[in-house]
Amino acid sequence: DAGVTQSPTHLIKTRGQQVTLRCSPISGHKSVSWYQQVLGQGPQFIFQYYEKEERGRGNFPDRFSARQFPNYSSELNVNALLLGDSALYLCASSLVNTNTGELFFGEGSRLTVL
Amino acid sequence: AQSVSQHNHHVILSEAASLELGCNYSYGGTVNLFWYVQYPGQHLQLLLKYFSGDPLVKGIKGFEAEFIKSKFSFNLRKPSVQWSDTAEYFCAVNARGHSGGGADGLTFGKGTHLIIQP
Repeated sequence: DAGVTQSPTHLIKTRGQQVTLRCSPISGHKSVSWYQQVLGQGPQFIFQYYEKEERGRGNFPDRFSARQFPNYSSELNVNALLLGDSALYLCASSLVNTNTGELFFGEGSRLTVL
Repeated sequence: AQSVSQHNHHVILSEAASLELGCNYSYGGTVNLFWYVQYPGQHLQLLLKYFSGDPLVKGIKGFEAEFIKSKFSFNLRKPSVQWSDTAEYFCAVNARGHSGGGADGLTFGKGTHLIIQP
């Protein structure tokens, strides 16, 4: 079975631009979460979606938004990019909407903002 | 809000040495605790988890962790490490009982980079 897939794997943007990152969860998983991992730090929670509704949001500015589609895939959008947005963006899926559920992570999308 | 502290950022051991990685969390309520591992070139994967019951939990590849509530700790241990254990290890916590299930997501520590020398 395919794991969590993310695209693109690498991308370079300039300050002020907008970026869209995509995630396909494991088949049958209905929950998708997004995390930002800055170099040398642990992943930081951005959003969680379950059954196409936002169920949780971390401490990120409104420039960050996301959505989940009927097939449970998800997109993360970041507007007005800043240099500090350079990071590895991780998508994780889980079977259920509960904080006891195991998260299955993708390999991430590495964003560089110049 | 919860936070996680991992004491050792870089650890270098020889094969067959014993391992203990420290993890402390700060949160006044009930928590779920996790250790995730990231092997070189691979994605994050769950090593073990604690929700309730026996505070000594066993995970994959011979790892175990002990939850000590009074110390707010969840240290990872392995009696004898192998070269293949070289990886980045992350401790994570999630506050239990929040509405909306994963409303707060997981809070991760900064990670410990473990290098096992043959």
